[in-house]
Amino acid sequence: DTAVSQTPKYLVTQMGNDKSIKCEQNLGHDTMYWYKQDSKKFLKIMFSYNNKELIINETVPNRFSPKSPDKAHLNLHINSLELGDSAVYFCASSHLPGHGYTFGSGTRLTVV
Amino acid sequence: AQKITQTQPGMFVQEKEAVTLDCTYDTSDQSYGLFWYKQPSSGEMIFLIYQGSYDEQNATEGRYSLNFQKARKSANLVISASQLGDSAMYFCAMREGRGGAQKLVFGQGTRLTINP
Repeated sequence: DTAVSQTPKYLVTQMGNDKSIKCEQNLGHDTMYWYKQDSKKFLKIMFSYNNKELIINETVPNRFSPKSPDKAHLNLHINSLELGDSAVYFCASSHLPGHGYTFGSGTRLTVV
Repeated sequence: AQKITQTQPGMFVQEKEAVTLDCTYDTSDQSYGLFWYKQPSSGEMIFLIYQGSYDEQNATEGRYSLNFQKARKSANLVISASQLGDSAMYFCAMREGRGGAQKLVFGQGTRLTINP
């Protein structure tokens, strides 16, 4: 049973399109995150949700809109995709105040 | 200012040798956590080891140990008896923030290559 699952694993799309990435965790964790890994492998947090409430929004363009229908799910919707959005997007979850962070397998987004 | 610094972009080590991956951090918090993750070429992020700022003993997990020197703000990862499968990117990360606003901040990563 996958602890944090993301779909799709790969996403190739044209500039200007709108796309979504889904994430689900079955660990019972309270907090979920979206991280972006750029072409230089640098990982940076985008958003965090705690019990469906947005907690962290790290100056991400408004084209990115996270949605958490319940504490086990955190989806990422991206409008008007740009070339610079090409990256690997990781979903993660953690149980506060514990120290375990579990990552999904990542979604490689390529905008052409 | 970079909060997590990994000064070795790449490391090359002979199989069966021990290897140390460097990590220094910057924080004014008293309570924080330090993590190491492995990212193989397949792309997933694999948790290796954790050290809490109040932990007096260095963390160990199998062949991995964390050399925690609090005064120097360093948290180096030591891999003993390296194996070909250890070839991967390695990321040091620090948990910062409080309560629900906690997050992981990552270093730039070190690409480790194990030679046969």
